[in-house]
Amino acid sequence: ELKVEQNPLFLSMQEGKNYTIYCNYSTTSDRLYWYRQDPGKSLESLFVLLSNGAVKQEGRLMASLDTKARLSTLHITAAVHDLSATYFCAVDYSDSGYALNFGKGTSLLVTP
Amino acid sequence: ETGVTQTPRHLVMGMTNKKSLKCEQHLGHNAMYWYKQSAKKPLELMFVYNFKEQIENNSVPSRFSPECPNSSHLFLHLHTLQPEDSALYLCASSRDRNTEAFFGQGTRLTVV
Repeated sequence: ELKVEQNPLFLSMQEGKNYTIYCNYSTTSDRLYWYRQDPGKSLESLFVLLSNGAVKQEGRLMASLDTKARLSTLHITAAVHDLSATYFCAVDYSDSGYALNFGKGTSLLVTP
Repeated sequence: ETGVTQTPRHLVMGMTNKKSLKCEQHLGHNAMYWYKQSAKKPLELMFVYNFKEQIENNSVPSRFSPECPNSSHLFLHLHTLQPEDSALYLCASSRDRNTEAFFGQGTRLTVV
């Protein structure tokens, strides 16, 4: 059974600080996705990582994938309050290419 | 108009009721999904359809019955549900396999 583990599950950080969220998964896959969910809202796609060594950046967020280590990271640079949300990683292990296994999510709170 | 629209947004139903959730996507995508988001549990994939054909059924109980009449519409028919089925049900669509999914706002279901 594929397991997707995120840590930390809760993160409170000050504005301007840097931090990294980790996503470990248990079975070989080279397809990993990051999503953001604001309270009471739906999920928004952030990054799609489809190969070992993939790195993508959007604003203050940067995601990377190491398929050998079965690890993805979401790095936050100089956090701002607007980044407060829950961040999910999801791994696709299926043959079909359509089945995502989600982590439990990391609830991020950025405080002044 | 949002890309993926779900109705109703909220639903309260008794255990003997029959109801249906509706999802419509305006993105021209080929694949549609049902996910279940429960408190304290990771997002769970329920069903996947591609070009109206069911691709994935994640061992979902038969009291949940999906229907995909075309690539733009997806339904989830509900009957004789249990209180533990109370959750946020999210619909999503994607252009193809290994591509990011776009999520609807969800239907908050409460079974009493």
